[in-house]
Amino acid sequence: GAVVSQHPSWVICKSGTSVKIECRSLDFQATTMFWYRQFPKQSLMLMATSNEGSKATYEQGVEKDKFLINHASLTLSTLTVTSAHPEDSSFYICSARDGSPASTYEQYFGPGTRLTVT
Amino acid sequence: AQRVTQPEKLLSVFKGAPVELKCNYSYSGSPELFWYVQYSRQRLQLLLRHISRESIKGFTADLNKGETSFHLKKPFAQEEDSAMYYCALSGLNTDKLIFGTGTRLQVFP
Repeated sequence: GAVVSQHPSWVICKSGTSVKIECRSLDFQATTMFWYRQFPKQSLMLMATSNEGSKATYEQGVEKDKFLINHASLTLSTLTVTSAHPEDSSFYICSARDGSPASTYEQYFGPGTRLTVT
Repeated sequence: AQRVTQPEKLLSVFKGAPVELKCNYSYSGSPELFWYVQYSRQRLQLLLRHISRESIKGFTADLNKGETSFHLKKPFAQEEDSAMYYCALSGLNTDKLIFGTGTRLQVFP
């Protein structure tokens, strides 16, 4: 089945530093990837839609200069949290959509990355 | 406004009992509805979608447009059904998913 990986699975960083999270589709090409944020005991909130080769589309209220998204290839999207602050501490989850004609266009989710900013 | 509501945070039943996880939605247009499941220490995965009209692991869900609901049902719960269940919707011409807050199902032996 389709697998999406995320790296790292867990990261601690100091306030003011930047952190990069990778999302990879391992056995399919993902023309579209999505980045979500999940606070403890809350739902997943879509942050942005990442399209290969073009700029990401951010949801209302998400700072695009703070959460930089790059989708340079059909199997990799990265989320960089710039100048991280403690309030950015959260669980970040990506998903990838198989864009092949034979697919069901289902979104496959990564295991998530827990970011803690101290 | 587009919204998915799951009124129950926790649902506890005994093995063999029927289960119904409630989901109501608000959407202007014809959405596509999904149920996702997250087992302990695993990633989120698709359980079923309304357009497939299929039963997965004994679960079914019927879209009721009049009541704007998409409740998930299973006649006889099993212990391995214990997990977090999220209802979600997307629009016809968009891949964006809007999730509900989730319901934790606990099935006791």
